[in-house]
Amino acid sequence: KAGVTQTPRYLIKTRGQQVTLSCSPISGHRSVSWYQQTPGQGLQFLFEYFSETQRNKGNFPGRFSGRQFSNSRSEMNVSTLELGDSALYLCASSPDMSGANVLTFGAGSRLTVL
Amino acid sequence: GENVEQHPSTLSVQEGDSAVIKCTYSDSASNYFPWYKQELGKGPQLIIDIRSNVGEKKDQRIAVTLNKTAKHFSLHITETQPEDSAVYFCAASSPSGGSYIPTFGRGTSLIVHP
Repeated sequence: KAGVTQTPRYLIKTRGQQVTLSCSPISGHRSVSWYQQTPGQGLQFLFEYFSETQRNKGNFPGRFSGRQFSNSRSEMNVSTLELGDSALYLCASSPDMSGANVLTFGAGSRLTVL
Repeated sequence: GENVEQHPSTLSVQEGDSAVIKCTYSDSASNYFPWYKQELGKGPQLIIDIRSNVGEKKDQRIAVTLNKTAKHFSLHITETQPEDSAVYFCAASSPSGGSYIPTFGRGTSLIVHP
């Protein structure tokens, strides 16, 4: 069974640019969530999507957005990049059965903003 | 919102010793407590989890205990091996918008010396 796939694995951008990251969840998983990991702030929740709808949102500015497609694949976008956006962006999928679900994480997309 | 404190931030042990990592949480509505192991260059991987109706769970060398009254939960690793060296994260998941959103601790870097 294939795991969670994130692309690209590494990317370098400059301030003011925008970036789009992609996540393919485990087959059959309907919930996809995104996290930002930095040495200073740790693992922080960005947003969660289920059935193409944003179900939960963390405390991040509107420059951070996402979407989910009908095949459960998800993308997140960061516009007007700032130096502080440099981080490992992690995607996780879960089957979304009743109760708290087990998350399976991808390997992440490491974004460097210069 | 939920707040999770994790201690220690670094733990150094000799191979064969036991390691204990402790977490506290603040939201009494949290009812799912997973532990993740993150190796260099990889995403977090679930190693064990516990739900609020259980006080202890064991899986080979790994065990987790939960004290809901005190809002404490701990990870115990016995007979540590060099391959246990990694960063470990605890999390507390509380219900939100029809789902459960985890709040992560800041992580513990475990170093097992051969």
